[in-house]
Amino acid sequence: DIQMTQSPSSLSASVGDRVTITCRASQNINRYLNWYQQKPGNAPKLLIYTASNLQGEVPSRFRGSGSGTDFTLTISSLQPEDFAMYYCQQSYSTPLTFGGGTKVDIK
Amino acid sequence: QITLKESGPTLVKPTQTLTLTCTFSGFSLDTTGVGVGWIRQPPGKALEWLALIYWDDDNRYSPSLKSRLTIAKDTSKNQVVLTMTNMDPGDTATYYCAHRRHYFGSNWFDPWGPGTLVTVSS
Repeated sequence: DIQMTQSPSSLSASVGDRVTITCRASQNINRYLNWYQQKPGNAPKLLIYTASNLQGEVPSRFRGSGSGTDFTLTISSLQPEDFAMYYCQQSYSTPLTFGGGTKVDIK
Repeated sequence: QITLKESGPTLVKPTQTLTLTCTFSGFSLDTTGVGVGWIRQPPGKALEWLALIYWDDDNRYSPSLKSRLTIAKDTSKNQVVLTMTNMDPGDTATYYCAHRRHYFGSNWFDPWGPGTLVTVSS
């Protein structure tokens, strides 16, 4: 199985901050990496697919990058609605695996 | 617009079999490339992928749960059913179904159903 490791597991930030979350795969997954956002009590929502492609309605302040084993999700200017959990997921091979999540909360 | 919704029991006893149904609209599971997956999330924990079924009836399972899982589709009803045998309190989780999208070898889940919380307790 491909292990996905996210860091940090949590972070505190202020509105307007630039936030970076990293996701590392235990082996090369090319660019087959997706990012999801989950707010309390809600289902996950796709943010970015194939490492850097924004899902249609996602604001442009979200950016995904990386390939191989190292990936990054960047929020350029944190907004109040961005406080949530974020998960990466590899789709290179089954079993599909998710990272442990990163909680972004208010500083 | 694609929507999915999970249904099934909210409480099951240990050793029982869980049957969950995902009812969807906005796509057909007999269209080439389409798939539906199941993912679960124990309270306060991370997401765990369980199973995936494709338009051609091919399927994939989490190796750690493969012996307990069965996924099947009913194209005429726009439904996907997941069964999990020998339920244990450790299987308590919110269970989600999700539409699988793909493009040139890459695939992702979008959108997801709202999820259904299943508690395993005697």
